[in-house]
Amino acid sequence: EDQVTQSPEALRLQEGESSSLNCSYTVSGLRGLFWYRQDPGKGPEFLFTLYSAGEEKEKERLKATLTKKESFLHITAPKPEDSATYLCAVQARGYSSASKIIFGSGTRLSIRP
Amino acid sequence: KAGVTQTPRYLIKTRGQQVTLSCSPISGHRSVSWYQQTPGQGLQFLFEYFSETQRNKGNFPGRFSGRQFSNSRSEMNVSTLELGDSALYLCASSSGQGETGYTFGSGTRLTVV
Repeated sequence: EDQVTQSPEALRLQEGESSSLNCSYTVSGLRGLFWYRQDPGKGPEFLFTLYSAGEEKEKERLKATLTKKESFLHITAPKPEDSATYLCAVQARGYSSASKIIFGSGTRLSIRP
Repeated sequence: KAGVTQTPRYLIKTRGQQVTLSCSPISGHRSVSWYQQTPGQGLQFLFEYFSETQRNKGNFPGRFSGRQFSNSRSEMNVSTLELGDSALYLCASSSGQGETGYTFGSGTRLTVV
């Protein structure tokens, strides 16, 4: 069964304290892995798409990496405005030419000033 | 460039009623997906439309249905509402190619009483 597991569920860091969020996935045929940021009361905001093992992408203090079984979202020297829920999603090959997306439950990140 | 617009933002309905939610995708995007987000279940895929055709469907009962119009705008309908249908309903659009991820709207918060 296709599955996405994110850990930890919640993470509290001090401003400037770097860390990583994990996304483990099991999917029959990965088409792409997405990272999103979601603020309370808002829809998810797209951050990155990764397609193949070894791929890395960066945006400001965020860096996403991908292996054959998991992805990491590294946050370097975070600031309070980085506080949000970070969602990981995998796009699998579905039936015929369709695709389906499976979301993880997210990691709630809180950065203390 | 206008983002994904969902209307209404908030809705309160009574059990047994039906509801229709609307989503206007980013101009030029032909793919529209719908998701249900609850604290307990996270983000769950409802269905995806591309060029007026349902391309994929999640594991939801037949009370949940949708459609897409020729201008790519989409509607989602839930009939015979149940208390458990209370959730944030999110719409996302993409160009259909998948490489840039999906752009989400701010969602419609549905409360069933």
